[in-house]
Amino acid sequence: AQKVTQAQTEISVVEKEDVTLDCVYETRDTTYYLFWYKQPPSGELVFLIRRNSFDEQNEISGRYSWNFQKSTSSFNFTITASQVVDSAVYFCALSEVNPNSGNTPLVFGKGTRLSVIA
Amino acid sequence: DAMVIQNPRYQVTQFGKPVTLSCSQTLNHNVMYWYQQKSSQAPKLLFHYYDKDFNNEADTPDNFQSRRPNTSFCFLDIRSPGLGDAAMYLCATSRDRTGGRHEQYFGPGTRLTVT
Repeated sequence: AQKVTQAQTEISVVEKEDVTLDCVYETRDTTYYLFWYKQPPSGELVFLIRRNSFDEQNEISGRYSWNFQKSTSSFNFTITASQVVDSAVYFCALSEVNPNSGNTPLVFGKGTRLSVIA
Repeated sequence: DAMVIQNPRYQVTQFGKPVTLSCSQTLNHNVMYWYQQKSSQAPKLLFHYYDKDFNNEADTPDNFQSRRPNTSFCFLDIRSPGLGDAAMYLCATSRDRTGGRHEQYFGPGTRLTVT
């Protein structure tokens, strides 16, 4: 069964600090996808990144970077020079590939609430 | 620019009184999803439509139903809301459902209060 663990429930940082959000996943499949979503106070989930299990290259997008390590089943997310607008709940999610139906639901972690203080 | 639209944003209903939440999309995506998200919890998938094919999650209560009259619209019907159904309901779409290859786009959610 697939499972996503975000051990950090809440994190508070001061603006301009770097912060890393941890995500550890469990799956028996060799083919799967990992995601990060941001949920600001307005409520909608905003897609940030998708990574497939065969691509372990780290990715950087502006102040955001992701570190995918299959050896430790982790897909961590780092925000560099955090800003108040980064305050949100961040969800890590996993989707396996079902060879029969092609469909598996997204399984979300419980989320990490990030507060960036000015 | 709105891609996934949910109406209303806030809905108050009485215990046991049927309520319908609506979702529309301008993305022409094949798949539409409904999630329930309770306070400080992760979203939980209730069901999804792949085109007109309805797929219910095994643990979704019978009290929850859904309709998709066309590609653009999807409705969530709660036949007899209980206090435990108070939550944020999120609609999402994806181009296809092929095992996570396509990210899901979420609407802003409808926050349901049951009195």
